[in-house]
Amino acid sequence: QKEVEQNSGPLSVPEGAIASLNCTYSDRGSQSFFWYRQYSGKSPELIMSIYSNGDKEDGRFTAQLNKASQYVSLLIRDSQPSDSATYLCAVVRGSTLGRLYFGRGTQLTVWP
Amino acid sequence: EAQVTQNPRYLITVTGKKLTVTCSQNMNHEYMSWYRQDPGLGLRQIYYSMNVEVTDKGDVPEGYKVSRKEKRNFPLILESPSPNQTSLYFCASSRDRGREDRDTEAFFGQGTRLTVV
Repeated sequence: QKEVEQNSGPLSVPEGAIASLNCTYSDRGSQSFFWYRQYSGKSPELIMSIYSNGDKEDGRFTAQLNKASQYVSLLIRDSQPSDSATYLCAVVRGSTLGRLYFGRGTQLTVWP
Repeated sequence: EAQVTQNPRYLITVTGKKLTVTCSQNMNHEYMSWYRQDPGLGLRQIYYSMNVEVTDKGDVPEGYKVSRKEKRNFPLILESPSPNQTSLYFCASSRDRGREDRDTEAFFGQGTRLTVV
């Protein structure tokens, strides 16, 4: 089983809709979870970090964490064409600080 | 401006010719890492460093070397590049907030697109 699995996509939603991105991880000891956005040919940039069970909101973005189910999600409300990118889920596994494991990414397209 | 700088951005080389990709950060970060990104495989960690003179293998270290002689620099060395090392490479750095606190985000360089022919 891969360390971090993401729904493979691609995901296509209309402008203004909610985009839902999902991620599961294998190591129950993981404590830190991140969502990165990557535009084609560019470097990843951090959107959200989450460390505790529950929801964390930042503008149009909401990250959800359920450690019992080993599940992390990202919701994008009021999706915009500029949100079209690949979204990467990343997990710091156990106590190995500084080591990030990435999922393969989900490509999101928001059409006008 | 806080940043991670990689050089070169693009490189085409021939099999077996040693090369170095440089990475420098100006944020005084303890952690630095190298990743490669390939279609369908996502970002995979090659090597990482927790501080000066402390490095460890990631998931795909074969064919690569690193060194961390200074805190700000973390070069990636390909002693004898092969075509299967053709990839997009990213350097990243992050701060160590200590084991009592949470991990902080990784900042990525602009990427180096390497082609080995």
